[in-house]
Amino acid sequence: QVQLVESGGGLVKPGGSLRLSCAASGFTFSNYYMSWIRQAPGKGLESVSYISSNGRTIYDADSAKGRFTISRDNAKNSLYLQMNSLRAEDTAVYYCAINLRNNWSGGFDYWGQGTLVTVSS
Amino acid sequence: QSVLTQSPSASGTPGQRVTISCSGSSSNIGRNTVNWYQQVPGTAPKLLIYVDNQRPSGVPDRYSGSKSGTSGSLAISGLQSEDEADYYCAAWDHSLNAVVFGGGTKLTVL
Repeated sequence: QVQLVESGGGLVKPGGSLRLSCAASGFTFSNYYMSWIRQAPGKGLESVSYISSNGRTIYDADSAKGRFTISRDNAKNSLYLQMNSLRAEDTAVYYCAINLRNNWSGGFDYWGQGTLVTVSS
Repeated sequence: QSVLTQSPSASGTPGQRVTISCSGSSSNIGRNTVNWYQQVPGTAPKLLIYVDNQRPSGVPDRYSGSKSGTSGSLAISGLQSEDEADYYCAAWDHSLNAVVFGGGTKLTVL
């Protein structure tokens, strides 16, 4: 069955960096678009970044532009999010998710359990 | 402020039918499909409806979706206590080049 397992979250100071990872299994990772979505404590869902199956097409939401970089390693069945210049407002649970229809429609069929990023001094 | 607009709360009694609405614009719902998620606090969101009205395998047919113009709706019939959760709509926005979400509707089963 499809499994997505995020890791790499933790406590970081403002201005610091973190690299999140998402390990995928149970499907042919290299065939599918992948996404990062976040949720601040007590708040709603917010897009972060998306990447096509071959990594050539990337969309970043305003929250990510200039600071976050999404990437993937199809040989390792892994998705990454490099986050730089972190701010307090980046504090959130970060989820990786897959759209089985391989489009940008926003229908994410499977989600990981999430990894918590806390930005605080 | 979310791009898609949902009422913050809704409620119903067991067995009742409840509808949750999601209002967008011509750059999102007006030209793209609507998706709906259910989230129990402390857990990851679960896809309930995709492409306006399609249910993933395993989602009961008590859940149904529809779209008209720039608005989408999620209906839950035969309301059960386990339906108590937060519900989010989502759609691709061509102006923002991003998936936009509604602010969420907290459903209470009385």
